[in-house]
Amino acid sequence: EVQLVESGGGLVQPGGSLRLSCAGSGFTFDDYVMHWVRQAPGQGLEWVSGISWNSGGIAYADSVKGRFTISRDNAKSSLYLQMNSLRGEDTALYYCARGLLSSWYPFDYWGQGALVTVSS
Amino acid sequence: DIQLTQSPSFLSASVGDRVTITCRASQDIRSYLAWYQQKPGKAPKLLIYAASTLQSGVPSRFSGSGSGTEFTLTISSLQPEDFATYYCQQLKPFGGGTKVEIK
Repeated sequence: EVQLVESGGGLVQPGGSLRLSCAGSGFTFDDYVMHWVRQAPGQGLEWVSGISWNSGGIAYADSVKGRFTISRDNAKSSLYLQMNSLRGEDTALYYCARGLLSSWYPFDYWGQGALVTVSS
Repeated sequence: DIQLTQSPSFLSASVGDRVTITCRASQDIRSYLAWYQQKPGKAPKLLIYAASTLQSGVPSRFSGSGSGTEFTLTISSLQPEDFATYYCQQLKPFGGGTKVEIK
C-alpha cells in the first residue's frame, strides 16, 4: 500500500524556519516525481514545489521562490521542504504528493498533511 | 502564467441529480487537466486526468470532457458520498474549487 507521511510541522514566528519531511513507503520512491502542495485554512489548493526523481528538475511557485528549498533522499525514501523567512501567509496544511506514473502531474497519492502556523 | 477558473464556486444538489462543473483555462492547455475531490479533513483524491481518463477505482458516474480552454466534470447521478469540494488542476495552477452541498 502506498503511503506518504508528513512530519515537521508546528508553530513558528515570522521570519523563522522550519523543515518538513515526507516519508514514502509501498512504492519505489526514486521512480517518481514528488511535490509539496499547501492549503491555507478554509482556502483552496496551492502547488508549492516539485522535484524530479533524480533531483535534476526542480520547480517552485513564485510565492515561495528564494525562500523554500525542496530536496529528496532516495536512499531514505524521503522528501523534504526547507522553509525559511516564513510569513503569515505561509500558514497552511502542507501535503506531500506523488506524480502519477512517474510524470510531473497529476498527483495520484497524497499524505495527510503537516500543519505549519506562522504567528508571533 | 496559466489561470484556471471554476464555476460555479458553490452548488446545491440532491441525491440522484446530474451535476456539471466547469473549468476554464486562460490559455490552451490541450488535454492537460485533472480533477480532484476533497472531503473535509481529508487529502484530495484524484478522479480524472488527461481531461477524460478515469483514475483507477473511481466510480464510472464521474466523467470528464473538454480540451483547449474549456473542461467539464460531470457526476451522472449524485450519491451521498459525492458531497465534497472539487478542484481542477493543470500542474501548477489549481482552480478555486466547487463545493457541492446537499439541497
